[in-house]
Amino acid sequence: KAGVTQTPRYLIKTRGQQVTLSCSPISGHRSVSWYQQTPGQGLQFLFEYFSETQRNKGNFPGRFSGRQFSNSRSEMNVSTLELGDSALYLCASSLREEGTDTQYFGPGTRLTVL
Amino acid sequence: GQSLEQPSEVTAVEGAIVQINCTYQTSGFYGLSWYQQHDGGAPTFLSYNGLDGLEETGRFSSFLSRSDSYGYLLLQELQMKDSASYFCAVNDDKIIFGKGTRLHILP
Repeated sequence: KAGVTQTPRYLIKTRGQQVTLSCSPISGHRSVSWYQQTPGQGLQFLFEYFSETQRNKGNFPGRFSGRQFSNSRSEMNVSTLELGDSALYLCASSLREEGTDTQYFGPGTRLTVL
Repeated sequence: GQSLEQPSEVTAVEGAIVQINCTYQTSGFYGLSWYQQHDGGAPTFLSYNGLDGLEETGRFSSFLSRSDSYGYLLLQELQMKDSASYFCAVNDDKIIFGKGTRLHILP
């Protein structure tokens, strides 16, 4: 099976702009979660989508939003970019089975906000 | 609130054994997972403990004590390729990750 793919891999934007990141999960996985990773902060949970519905949400401002399509592909949008949004954005897919729920991560999108 | 605590850095010698501890405080709990991330790479799953006790997978073992809200990852026969960051993660209704432990291995 092909792994989780994310596009684009690298992105440079300026403050105030908006950005859309895309994630294609492993075939058969209906859950897609998004994480923000910055040095020293680990992986911070943004949100999870399951069967086109947002299932969980982390503590991020409303500028961060997402959606999931019927084929389980997911997009994440960040509006009115701030310098602090510079980070590696990882998506992970899973079967969403209670308990183990192993996360399979994509390579990430490196976002730089200037 | 929800929190996971793990050391920020650990240093060990090639061939030795190292233990990375994780304590957690979460509202819900299904189990504790461990992930490895090499520089420039994506996190990859290492192990999962849903019940108390030790789980062994090759050179890696993971332990969980629910009553103590504590777990650890044990790496044996350390190799230079084990140099990476290791994250504990609590499986609640969502996955909550710790900030990671950077493992440095000396030759």
